[in-house]
Amino acid sequence: KAGVTQTPRYLIKTRGQQVTLSCSPISGHRSVSWYQQTPGQGLQFLFEYFSETQRNKGNFPGRFSGRQFSNSRSEMNVSTLELGDSALYLCASSFTGTGLNSPLHFGNGTRLTVT
Amino acid sequence: SQQGEEDPQALSIQEGENATMNCSYKTSINNLQWYRQNSGRGLVHLILIRSNEREKHSGRLRVTLDTSKKSSSLLITASRAADTASYFCAPTGAFGNEKLTFGTGTRLTIIP
Repeated sequence: KAGVTQTPRYLIKTRGQQVTLSCSPISGHRSVSWYQQTPGQGLQFLFEYFSETQRNKGNFPGRFSGRQFSNSRSEMNVSTLELGDSALYLCASSFTGTGLNSPLHFGNGTRLTVT
Repeated sequence: SQQGEEDPQALSIQEGENATMNCSYKTSINNLQWYRQNSGRGLVHLILIRSNEREKHSGRLRVTLDTSKKSSSLLITASRAADTASYFCAPTGAFGNEKLTFGTGTRLTIIP
């Protein structure tokens, strides 16, 4: 069974630009969660999608958005990039979503550098 | 949702020794999960222990849960260099469908 796939693996953008990251979950998983990881803030929850609906949201500004398609693939978008958005963005999928004895399966992330 | 707090923040041991790390949380849980992260990679799920379980084993890993003390511990026996990683606990609230949040983790270094 293929794991969670995140593309691209690395990305360099300029401040003010926008970026779209992609995540393909494990086949059959309907929940996709996104996390931002930085040395200073650690792992921060961005949002979770389940069956194309946003079910949970973290404390991030509106510049961060996401969506999920009918095949469960998910994208997250960051507009008007800031230097502080430089981070490892991790996507995780699960069968039923968190809290229901369903562990998360993570991709290896997209490393975003904003210059 | 609630966040677990791992202790210690960093731990260095010799290869072959056992490593113990702890996790504390604040409110009632449905289950508690442990994850490992190798540098620059995604997290890997290690063990899920339900609130009605007290101990669980997986290979060289042993997890205990004490709901009265709101704490859990992860023991890695006979450590190997490949165990060098950050370890995170993630308690899941009692009501399900909550976001899973992570603390700052325990950074484990195995010295060959």
